[in-house]
Amino acid sequence: DIQMTQSPSSLSASVGDRVTITCRASQSINKYLNWYQQKPGRAPKLLIYGASSFQSGVPSRFSGSGSGTDFTLTISNLQPEDFATYYCQQSYSFPLSFGGGTKVEIK
Amino acid sequence: QAQLVQSGADVKRPGSSVKVSCKASGTSFNNYGVTWVRQAPGQGLEWMGGIIPMFGTVSYAQKFQDRVTITADASKTTVSLDLSGLRSEDTAVYYCARSPRYGGNSPISYYYHMDVWGQGTTVTVSS
Repeated sequence: DIQMTQSPSSLSASVGDRVTITCRASQSINKYLNWYQQKPGRAPKLLIYGASSFQSGVPSRFSGSGSGTDFTLTISNLQPEDFATYYCQQSYSFPLSFGGGTKVEIK
Repeated sequence: QAQLVQSGADVKRPGSSVKVSCKASGTSFNNYGVTWVRQAPGQGLEWMGGIIPMFGTVSYAQKFQDRVTITADASKTTVSLDLSGLRSEDTAVYYCARSPRYGGNSPISYYYHMDVWGQGTTVTVSS
C-alpha cells in the first residue's frame, strides 16, 4: 500500500502570506496526486489534480507541483477564505490513500 | 450542475448494519467511478472503496473487505454503501464522490480524482 505523508500537520500564517504544504509518497506515483481543501462541517473540495492541473473555478493563487514521490501545494497571497485543512491523495494504485492533512490557521 | 445527494443521518446499534445512498443529480455515473470516503470525528479522510457503475466493478479497502458492500442501481444514478457489524469506531461522516476516468480501461483509471462530492452522511453507532 502507498503511504502519503504530509508536512507540516499544521501551520499559522497571515493574510497575504505565501504558504507551502508538502506531500511525500512512499513509492513513485508519477503525477497521480490530487489536492483537496476542507472547511469544518463541509465536504472536501478538489483544488488540483494530476499534481499540477487546476480544477475549474479554483483561484490561481493555488498551484501544485511535483512528480514521483515529492509534491507541493502552494498558496500565494493567502486569503481569509483559505484557512482550512488541506489533504493530498494518490490515485496511482489501490487502495487509494490520503495524507494526514495540513491545517492552515490564522496567525 | 452535477450534484450528489446523500441519504440522511442515521443512528445505529453496535452489531447492526447501515445503508447510505448517493444519488446523482444533473449527471449520471456513466464513465465514472464512485468512491466512498469516511471521516471520523476530528480525524482525516479514509478511503473505503468504490464502484464503476457502468460495469459493476468494485474495489474495497482491505480494512473493510469483510463488512462493506458497494452497489449501483440499474439506472446508474444511485450508488449505495452497506456497512455491517457496526462498532463505535464506525461513527463518522460518510461521503460519496464522483471520479472521472483518465487513461486506459483498467479499474484504477476510473478513480483519477474526486471532482464532485456528496454533502456527507453522519452515522452514529451507539448503544
